[in-house]
Amino acid sequence: DAKTTQPPSMDCAEGRAANLPCNHSTISGNEYVYWYRQIHSQGPQYIIHGLKNNETNEMASLIITEDRKSSTLILPHATLRDTAVYYCIVRVVLTGGGNKLTFGTGTQLKVEL
Amino acid sequence: NAGVTQTPKFQVLKTGQSMTLQCAQDMNHEYMSWYRQDPGMGLRLIHYSVGAGITDQGEVPNGYNVSRSTTEDFPLRLLSAAPSQTSVYFCASSRVPANEKLFFGSGTQLSVL
Repeated sequence: DAKTTQPPSMDCAEGRAANLPCNHSTISGNEYVYWYRQIHSQGPQYIIHGLKNNETNEMASLIITEDRKSSTLILPHATLRDTAVYYCIVRVVLTGGGNKLTFGTGTQLKVEL
Repeated sequence: NAGVTQTPKFQVLKTGQSMTLQCAQDMNHEYMSWYRQDPGMGLRLIHYSVGAGITDQGEVPNGYNVSRSTTEDFPLRLLSAAPSQTSVYFCASSRVPANEKLFFGSGTQLSVL
């Protein structure tokens, strides 16, 4: 499985953009990059995913480098409620069509006033 | 729409006891899975199912059994609880094919004394 590397923690001022980096240098050509976040000890929440093109939704933007070895999750206007652990995951497709998402230790994002 | 519902939220067991963690989803998702999360670690896949009557092992299946008799339910059974199974357990579901996002339940915190 492709391994991901993220900084253990980051701080961001409220209202500013939060840019969370992720390295996945061993990613295969057909593997997707997913981002989830976990607030306190709640269940992880899906944010966004992509294969090679940049993606944007109502929560965030995902920028994937051309060689696909790294990506950046962008929260355009971070709020205090965005304080959470953010996981960058490379998805492995299981036999039969299921997902295996290998969660690392993620990045603890702290949004401050 | 309830999403993914896990019960109980908290449970304390003695070593050797058995119990079943319940997971139900009302989104007609074919894929369901169980993860465990230990302090300071990411989530690890225990078992998964791509449809009723079909189950398979994840990364850490030992000590756990599952069955999938209906699309809606995916219970996780601990046959003889051990202190090493003290953890937070999350159930997740998605549609198939595998590039669908996972929806997580709110978790069951299990302590085995």
